[in-house]
Amino acid sequence: AQSVTQLDSQVPVFEEAPVELRCNYSSSVSVYLFWYVQYPNQGLQLLLKYLSGSTLVESINGFEAEFNKSQTSFHLRKPSVHISDTAEYFCAVIPAQGAQKLVFGQGTRLTINP
Amino acid sequence: GAGVSQSPRYKVAKRGQDVALRCDPISGHVSLFWYQQALGQGPEFLTYFQNEAQLDKSGLPSDRFFAERPEGSVSTLKIQRTQQEDSAVYLCASRGNTEAFFGQGTRLTVV
Repeated sequence: AQSVTQLDSQVPVFEEAPVELRCNYSSSVSVYLFWYVQYPNQGLQLLLKYLSGSTLVESINGFEAEFNKSQTSFHLRKPSVHISDTAEYFCAVIPAQGAQKLVFGQGTRLTINP
Repeated sequence: GAGVSQSPRYKVAKRGQDVALRCDPISGHVSLFWYQQALGQGPEFLTYFQNEAQLDKSGLPSDRFFAERPEGSVSTLKIQRTQQEDSAVYLCASRGNTEAFFGQGTRLTVV
């Protein structure tokens, strides 16, 4: 079975500051990793994903995440945040083979202060 | 369609009432999932379909919860005799090759 731990339930930062949202996972098999973003009263939107290849993956809006197999981590970072990044962020894993269901972390609420 | 569509967006039910939540997945997506998201929590898996076959229902919290996808497209999640603890957002997702696309969810409030 897989599990995901998001170490911070809330992260407040000032606009234009850098941010890191932490995610650690546990799995006995290879996994695919995802970050989803949820804006207020909206569904989940895929932000970025790691399937294979380069361990550093990027989104179109400036976020990036790095897969670290030895530390079983997939932390999300952005060098300079905007007010519009205020949302809930969820890390999720799925086995590369076999079980189909995504397993989510508890989420991190990112609040951007002006 | 362009995305996963769920209806209704909001549902208020009296305790003991039966409810039905609908999900229209992305056309052609074989896999369909239901998740339950309680306030302030991450989504929790309920059940999974591949076409019309329900392959995993291990996350359904009780026998009051029932899901179907009779023609391998639209799915319905039914909750019988709703209880207050059923209040949550119910998310539907359909999956292509590797990534799942989510609908906006149905917020169920049991009063």
